[in-house]
Amino acid sequence: EPEVTQTPSHQVTQMGQEVILRCVPISNHLYFYWYRQILGQKVEFLVSFYNNEISEKSEIFDDQFSVERPDGSNFTLKIRSTKLEDSAMYFCASPPTGIANTGELFFGEGSRLTVL
Amino acid sequence: EDQVTQSPEALRLQEGESSSLNCSYTVSGLRGLFWYRQDPGKGPEFLFTLYSAGEEKEKERLKATLTKKESFLHITAPKPEDSATYLCAVGHNTDKLIFGTGTRLQVFP
Repeated sequence: EPEVTQTPSHQVTQMGQEVILRCVPISNHLYFYWYRQILGQKVEFLVSFYNNEISEKSEIFDDQFSVERPDGSNFTLKIRSTKLEDSAMYFCASPPTGIANTGELFFGEGSRLTVL
Repeated sequence: EDQVTQSPEALRLQEGESSSLNCSYTVSGLRGLFWYRQDPGKGPEFLFTLYSAGEEKEKERLKATLTKKESFLHITAPKPEDSATYLCAVGHNTDKLIFGTGTRLQVFP
């Protein structure tokens, strides 16, 4: 089964520091997503990325957040100046076909971010 | 406002004791209703997509059904390995999925 690989699995950072979370999605796919899940809460949409451009973003995805696909394979989520409330599990996801947004998504194992 | 509500929050079953999980939703322009399974510390794992009222999907001990306002995930004769959090999500006219808070299922031998 295709995989979405995320690194790091866990990152601890100080408030105000920059964090970069990385995702290696299913190769040749055009659609990617970032979701997050604060402990004990629901999975929340952050941003969708189609054909190397942001397709849609939520209110959570403010100016502190950015996404890039710097080398055509890795897909990164950057948080410029972390806040305590950014502590969460961050999931990268991609649809199995990679070209159609069907709502059926492969999620990575997640990156747990802890902001102190 | 688009909303997904799941009940119960938690469910404890004896092995073999069948039950149902509920997902009620209000969304404009439903594009699909999705069920996911999430194990502790892991990402959600896709189970089913339902597109229209009356549709049913089955996979092993799980069966998902859809009406115009809610979906049910029926678990028949569950086993301990079915223990997980089951998430319901809806898609509409945008890219994003809107998730419910999930039902945490524990099945005891």
